[in-house]
Amino acid sequence: AQKITQTQPGMFVQEKEAVTLDCTYDTSDQSYGLFWYKQPSSGEMIFLIYQGSYDEQNATEGRYSLNFQKARKSANLVISASQLGDSAMYFCAMREGRGKLVFGAGTILRVKS
Amino acid sequence: ETGVTQTPRHLVMGMTNKKSLKCEQHLGHNAMYWYKQSAKKPLELMFVYSLEERVENNSVPSRFSPECPNSSHLFLHLHTLQPEDSALYLCASSQIQGLYYGYTFGSGTRLTVV
Repeated sequence: AQKITQTQPGMFVQEKEAVTLDCTYDTSDQSYGLFWYKQPSSGEMIFLIYQGSYDEQNATEGRYSLNFQKARKSANLVISASQLGDSAMYFCAMREGRGKLVFGAGTILRVKS
Repeated sequence: ETGVTQTPRHLVMGMTNKKSLKCEQHLGHNAMYWYKQSAKKPLELMFVYSLEERVENNSVPSRFSPECPNSSHLFLHLHTLQPEDSALYLCASSQIQGLYYGYTFGSGTRLTVV
């Protein structure tokens, strides 16, 4: 069964606007971690933000915030005030305990000027 | 130097060549990983090393041979590759346990097999 589902293969957003990238996950564990990574065209995978399953507050890191809805098993990434440099592939991932980090298929984001 | 360093960044090799990809981490992590990323395909986990021992090999062809001589270094030895092996190869490291630990990735080696 698919552990991480990213339903948006590609998204467009106007510069300076906010955008939400969707991610749903599947786990029976109570303890897990959720991550978002950014991959620019150069290839490196850049860690953006982390949310723990027991964290009551949504995680925020600068312009990135994670909209965590535990009951719905969703962990959407919100990027505020989009910039041209935000154009990249974005991956949602989950780790359960000692398990591996499992990645979704990714969403390509294009920021328009 | 900090983070995960991969060399070379780009590699073009013939099908009969032998080459090696190198990955080095200075984060004190005890697990290392090789991923393959082909165009328009999801990330594929190839190998997992935990405490320098290979713990996972996801049906990777034998023309790919990993080596982990110590906790800081990971190699991927390549021989008699096929054109379909052209891809971005990413190395990552992490702590074995701790769900709050993500992976730290290198910049990748973009491999072209001609």
